Amino acid sequence: ETGVTQSPTHLIKTRGQQVTLRCSSQSGHNTVSWYQQALGQGPQFIFQYYREEENGRGNFPPRFSGLQFPNYSSELNVNALELDDSALYLCASSLLPEGKLFFGSGTQLSVL
Amino acid sequence: AQSVTQPDIHITVSEGASLELRCNYSYGATPYLFWYVQSPGQGLQLLLKYFSGDTLVQGIKGFEAEFKRSQSSFNLRKPSVHWSDAAEYFCAVGARSGGGADGLTFGKGTHLIIQP
Repeated sequence: ETGVTQSPTHLIKTRGQQVTLRCSSQSGHNTVSWYQQALGQGPQFIFQYYREEENGRGNFPPRFSGLQFPNYSSELNVNALELDDSALYLCASSLLPEGKLFFGSGTQLSVL
Repeated sequence: AQSVTQPDIHITVSEGASLELRCNYSYGATPYLFWYVQSPGQGLQLLLKYFSGDTLVQGIKGFEAEFKRSQSSFNLRKPSVHWSDAAEYFCAVGARSGGGADGLTFGKGTHLIIQP
């Protein structure tokens, strides 16, 4: 049990729609990172938020955006969904940007 | 660009036998190296990490890994596997402990199957 919870666990959307995924970090963790894990692949870094500001970003387009709130919750928003966005989305919280990552169980997104 | 290669997609091992999972990395500087385990429906759990010091690193659940700079390898080992070790194993590399603002780069994973 990592203390990191994600909701919903599963989600089905249609191409072109928008989606919001939610993450609740461990209490006291001021950093959250998001990863995309496609079927049969390892996780890919989307971005990191530190003290409510985007702190770093992987090779993902601007339609992937995020928010981090003072109450240790955060969101991943994806606009204009594409079929290739179907994946498991993992959030991970840490005490600092360089701290040990604690992963949630993920949200499985299917885009039809 | 940094990359991680896990050459074995699937590995089958008998319960009680020894295990070695291979990992090769490409990185421009001295990297942080990690092994994570993912069970079905679960997130990733850190088994161990390496940055400097003793090249043999001990982790949780009886796992260890050996860093070999000359071979750019960071192989995971366990002397005797248990049925509960069946899972997906990921090797990862990063510039900072925990990934930092650049995140971690993961391999594609090795699926471990345990035979009774």
